[in-house]
Amino acid sequence: DQQVKQNSPSLSVQEGRISILNCDYTNSMFDYFLWYKKYPAEGPTFLISISSIKDKNEDGRFTVFLNKSAKHLSLHIVPSQPGDSAVYFCAASSLNDYKLSFGAGTTVTVRA
Amino acid sequence: SQTIHQWPATLVQPVGSPLSLECTVEGTSNPNLYWYRQAAGRGLQLLFYSVGIGQISSEVPQNLSASRPQDRQFILSSKKLLLSDSGFYLCALGLSSGNTIYFGEGSWLTVV
Repeated sequence: DQQVKQNSPSLSVQEGRISILNCDYTNSMFDYFLWYKKYPAEGPTFLISISSIKDKNEDGRFTVFLNKSAKHLSLHIVPSQPGDSAVYFCAASSLNDYKLSFGAGTTVTVRA
Repeated sequence: SQTIHQWPATLVQPVGSPLSLECTVEGTSNPNLYWYRQAAGRGLQLLFYSVGIGQISSEVPQNLSASRPQDRQFILSSKKLLLSDSGFYLCALGLSSGNTIYFGEGSWLTVV
């Protein structure tokens, strides 16, 4: 049962434009959300997170938005750069749980 | 800061052969440890997690097993590999103070 869903398997964006990645979740107990970035043949690296007490968290070019009522979060990358080309995973957990549930990932390609 | 060492980085094994992937972590004590797998074209699947020495929880029934003989050592094993065991295996650690987990560089397993 997929509790975290990334319905767009891929996204192509021009360099300098905004990349918007979407993620939906079904478990209402989730209250902590993360985004990871993964290059081929490497482990995922932590990018940014947000807890359910906030609806926005920003770190440089990366901003995560959380809409709890819609059980939806998104990652905005502005401006997109060629080095941003990677697979992005959305993940979620509840604060008292040791485990993260991951989405299937979205492959972002930034075109020059 | 914590580091994760995972080896071997790549492995080609025949069907029916045993498997041992090792993971050691540094820079932290009593971490939560995880084994994830990313099959080709798929997301991250949690296989095992451990909250302490000798404590292993299995998430997915399979012919793999995990052990934690020391606080900072986590081992993934199989007595007889199947073709379907091929994939990218990731060791990860989580700190007791938060929900973010950090991944190692991964091990590519190809079962032939």
